[in-house]
Amino acid sequence: SYELTQSPSVSVSPGQTASITCSGDKLGKKYVCWYQQKPGQSPILVIYEDTKRPSGIPERFSGSNSGNTATLTISGTQAMDEADYYCQAWDSNTVVFGGGTKLTVL
Amino acid sequence: EVQLVESGGGLVQPGGSLRLSCAASGFSFSRYWMSWVRQAPGKGLEWVANKKEDGSEKYYVDSVKGRFTISRDNAKNSLYLQMNSLRGEDTAVYYCARVGAVGFWYFDLWGRGTLVTVSS
Repeated sequence: SYELTQSPSVSVSPGQTASITCSGDKLGKKYVCWYQQKPGQSPILVIYEDTKRPSGIPERFSGSNSGNTATLTISGTQAMDEADYYCQAWDSNTVVFGGGTKLTVL
Repeated sequence: EVQLVESGGGLVQPGGSLRLSCAASGFSFSRYWMSWVRQAPGKGLEWVANKKEDGSEKYYVDSVKGRFTISRDNAKNSLYLQMNSLRGEDTAVYYCARVGAVGFWYFDLWGRGTLVTVSS
């Protein structure tokens, strides 16, 4: 079965750029999306189709996907961005999530 | 308001059954694939099942095949998950989610979830 791998945690200082990666075999040939989840809340879609932002998601959130790695980039990270982030793709009629990355804004 | 509201969770013994419901409102439910996604306590997200707009196709994660059944009633704008032969590892918050676009498979709308606890 297809697997997506994320680093368990990433730390960033306020105002700096955070990069969260997601790796999988030939991931660049699939569409990847990203979700933000804060404690006690439902996930929120922040990036879809590799690079698109849903309405209402700040411009500081961006995405890329090439080769075996997809990346969620948060520019000018704010304290409110502290959350768990999950990548997700689709393979052979199944939806696959990465294990999640906890972003800490120090 | 566009929303999904889950219900039906609770405490059930191992081997027992439970039926979850998801009520959709504010959008044309019958035009979207719908899914169930779960999250065990302190763990990550796990996709459970998908159901096509007209109900003609459905897919499951291997760990629930033969035990869970996803269904929908477009006339009632509702999605269901019948869960049988429940195990401790099925303990999780179960989210109802809308597939934003077929072929791209992202979930653009989520409910608040309903907690299922499997324990004796």
